[in-house]
Amino acid sequence: AQSVTQLGSHVSVSEGALVLLRCNYSSSVPPYLFWYVQYPNQGLQLLLKYTSAATLVKGINGFEAEFKKSETSFHLTKPSAHMSDAAEYFCAVSLDNNDMRFGAGTRLTVKP
Amino acid sequence: DAGVTQSPTHLIKTRGQQVTLRCSPKSGHDTVSWYQQALGQGPQFIFQYYEEEERQRGNFPDRFSGHQFPNYSSELNVNALLLGDSALYLCASSFSIGQGTPQETQYFGPGTRLLVL
Repeated sequence: AQSVTQLGSHVSVSEGALVLLRCNYSSSVPPYLFWYVQYPNQGLQLLLKYTSAATLVKGINGFEAEFKKSETSFHLTKPSAHMSDAAEYFCAVSLDNNDMRFGAGTRLTVKP
Repeated sequence: DAGVTQSPTHLIKTRGQQVTLRCSPKSGHDTVSWYQQALGQGPQFIFQYYEEEERQRGNFPDRFSGHQFPNYSSELNVNALLLGDSALYLCASSFSIGQGTPQETQYFGPGTRLLVL
């Protein structure tokens, strides 16, 4: 069965610094991979989605993620953190979008 | 264009009671999925409805049931509530190209926060 593991439940960066949130997946076949963001007391908002069209996926708010099959990874990056990026980030995997499996989440803190 | 809406926003119940949560999908979407997000955890897939039928189900007991109406809106019912059912319940909608084929992106609602005392 497919699953994802998010490395690091908490990540803290300074404003303007690189953001790197790690996600490794487990799947027997090429999966769909997602990154979602959740602000306090809100639902999930899609940041980006990998569907095998391109290994480097660009999303909203300056985020991007690279699919690396050899490393079974789909890490999320942003070159320069902004205070508004502080939130909970979830990586998810699905084989057919019917059953999405989410990671435990990574809380991003941005220090001024 | 309204996105996914859920009601109520908050709910308090006692053990053993029953609860019904409601979801209206994004305009143009015909598929609704429900997730349970316990505090400090990622969402867990409960089930998905398409064409008024449960298409897929996660690892949740039969106490959790659902329904989809002809207008694509959906309800999640939980019977015999347990303390452990306290969570944020998220509804997500999407458009299915065809039954059994990959869907488009799932869009999430703001959730219903259920507290069981």
